[in-house]
Amino acid sequence: SQELEQSPQSLIVQEGKNLTINCTSSKTLYGLYWYKQKYGEGLIFLMMLQKGGEEKSHEKITAKLDEKKQQSSLHITASQPSHAGIYLCGADSTGNQFYFGTGTSLTVIP
Amino acid sequence: KAGVTQTPRYLIKTRGQQVTLSCSPISGHRSVSWYQQTPGQGLQFLFEYFSETQRNKGNFPGRFSGRQFSNSRSEMNVSTLELGDSALYLCASSLVVSSYEQYFGPGTRLTVT
Repeated sequence: SQELEQSPQSLIVQEGKNLTINCTSSKTLYGLYWYKQKYGEGLIFLMMLQKGGEEKSHEKITAKLDEKKQQSSLHITASQPSHAGIYLCGADSTGNQFYFGTGTSLTVIP
Repeated sequence: KAGVTQTPRYLIKTRGQQVTLSCSPISGHRSVSWYQQTPGQGLQFLFEYFSETQRNKGNFPGRFSGRQFSNSRSEMNVSTLELGDSALYLCASSLVVSSYEQYFGPGTRLTVT
C-alpha cells in the first residue's frame, strides 16, 4: 500500500513567520493533493500537483512536487492565525483509493 | 449552493449496537466517499459510491457497509460496534468517481462506550 509520511507532525509558529510542511511517499506519486482541516471538521481542498517539478500557489500557500515525484512540500509565507489547522497530503493509488498522510498540526501564535 | 451535510453531528453508542450515518452531497454531485479519521490511524478511506453502486472499497471489515440512493444521498452503517470504531466519520462528494476534487462534510463524531 502507498504510504505518505508528513513532517513535522506539529508546528507552532509566530504570526508572520514562514513555514514548510513536507510529504514523502514510499512510491512514485501520480497525483498529490493538499487539504486543510480545521480541528474536528471536514477537509478543504487546497491544490493538486501532478507533474514532477510542478509548483502551484494559492494566496500565501505554495506547493511543489519534486522532480522525482516522491516528495511534496507546502510552504506558507507570512503565516496568519487563519492558517492554523491540520494539513494533510493525499494521493491516489492505482486502485483508485485515496490515501492520506499522517497530518501536520499547525498553530499560529498571534 | 449548499455544502455537504452529515447527520447526526455527534453520536454516542454502546458496544455491540449498530449505527447508521447519513450524508447528503452537494447538489449535482453523484459520487460520495466515506472516511474514518482517528488519532492513531489518521484518515482512512472506507468506500466510494457512484450512481448507487459501490465503486471502491478500503480495507475495513464487513461490519462497515454503505449504500447510495437515487438522489445520491448516502448512508453508512456499522454493525456490532467496537470501542475502536470511535472516530470522526467524514463523507465527501464529487462530480465524478475517483475525483481528487472532493468536498467534505463536517463529519459525524461517533463515540462507542
